[in-house]
Amino acid sequence: KQEVTQIPAALSVPEGENLVLNCSFTDSAIYNLQWFRQDPGKGLTSLLLIQSSQREQTSGRLNASLDKSSGRSTLYIAASQPGDSATYLCAVKGPGDKIIFGKGTRLHILP
Amino acid sequence: DAGITQSPRHKVTETGTPVTLRCHQTENHRYMYWYRQDPGHGLRLIHYSYGVKDTDKGEVSDGYSVSRSKTEDFLLTLESATSSQTSVYFCASRTENTEAFFGQGTRLTVV
Repeated sequence: KQEVTQIPAALSVPEGENLVLNCSFTDSAIYNLQWFRQDPGKGLTSLLLIQSSQREQTSGRLNASLDKSSGRSTLYIAASQPGDSATYLCAVKGPGDKIIFGKGTRLHILP
Repeated sequence: DAGITQSPRHKVTETGTPVTLRCHQTENHRYMYWYRQDPGHGLRLIHYSYGVKDTDKGEVSDGYSVSRSKTEDFLLTLESATSSQTSVYFCASRTENTEAFFGQGTRLTVV
């Protein structure tokens, strides 16, 4: 059974800092991994999708990496801004059609 | 973003009554999902569908049923609502090996 873990559960950093969010998964047989952002009381917004054959994906100030063999992914946020404050979720899709989520990292950027 | 809408957005219902939530997508996506989100548990998969009339159970399927008679609609039914089913419900859809898109959620309160 696939399990997805995100550590830390919460993180506060001063504005302008670069930061890394972590995601680990127990079964390395994944097809892709997706990072989402969720603002309070809102739905999930897709940030980046990494296919199993890829090592990283970039979108603006965001860079996501994937090391399938070790069961890890990181989301790097450059030059953080107060508007980046949100909960960040990672989700993996394995050989079946299920998409399994971690519990998220709640990020607070201090002005 | 993909056109995916959930209805209703908010609902209060009494214990023991049946409740149906609707998810509608306009992207002709093959796969659709229902999740519930609760504090401390993150997003947990209830049921998913891999085509019209093709559905399967997720992690927390007890007390829930689903139906998919058309590509664009995926219905989630709480057969006899209980207070433990008070939650925020999210629907998602995707096509083959692409990113999943989420609806805005339905906040269900069972009193």
